[in-house]
Amino acid sequence: DTEVTQTPKHLVMGMTNKKSLKCEQHMGHRAMYWYKQKAKKPPELMFVYSYEKLSINESVPSRFSPECPNSSLLNLHLHALQPEDSALYLCASSETGGFTDTQYFGPGTRLTVL
Amino acid sequence: QKEVEQNSGPLSVPEGAIASLNCTYSDRVSQSFFWYRQYSGKSPELIMSIYSNGDKEDGRFTAQLNKASQYVSLLIRDSQPSDSATYLCVEEGGGKLIFGQGTELSVKP
Repeated sequence: DTEVTQTPKHLVMGMTNKKSLKCEQHMGHRAMYWYKQKAKKPPELMFVYSYEKLSINESVPSRFSPECPNSSLLNLHLHALQPEDSALYLCASSETGGFTDTQYFGPGTRLTVL
Repeated sequence: QKEVEQNSGPLSVPEGAIASLNCTYSDRVSQSFFWYRQYSGKSPELIMSIYSNGDKEDGRFTAQLNKASQYVSLLIRDSQPSDSATYLCVEEGGGKLIFGQGTELSVKP
């Protein structure tokens, strides 16, 4: 089973709302990732969790707040977003985060900020 | 700054032909390379990974790596309309994936 699940599939929110994106994997992977992808562009890395600790933060604005409650779950809390934050948010996981690891992507959450 | 360069296309090939996708990378010490396929509106899915110089074949797909020249390629034999997608060339760099801009492939029936 190489499945990463993400909920919700679609999310529309206002600039004053607080919402959360959820990602789950049951492959026993110890590294999990959040990416943001705009149309016609490659994914941009936001955060990396390795063994439940934040290991990479690509200088993402504080209105995005990641959380890793356990090794299977990764959340992205959203607050006071801007319309330019509208994008496809992808979660991925890999075995350990090592350089030969394959990253498996979830289906993504399509976020629209009004 | 590590970079992966790809021709954005679109690359158009007739059904049954060989599609050739190429990319170059700037970091000489990189060891791991991946090709992901992404259909419009969907998430990337892994097609091939390659770590050593030479060719690696999997069904209709062949990945080629030349570390001396710093290029990676993907050949798709007997191209099908279902292969129409954006192909992302990806390099592993320090625990992160470095993505190329992607090449849009269109296979015409």
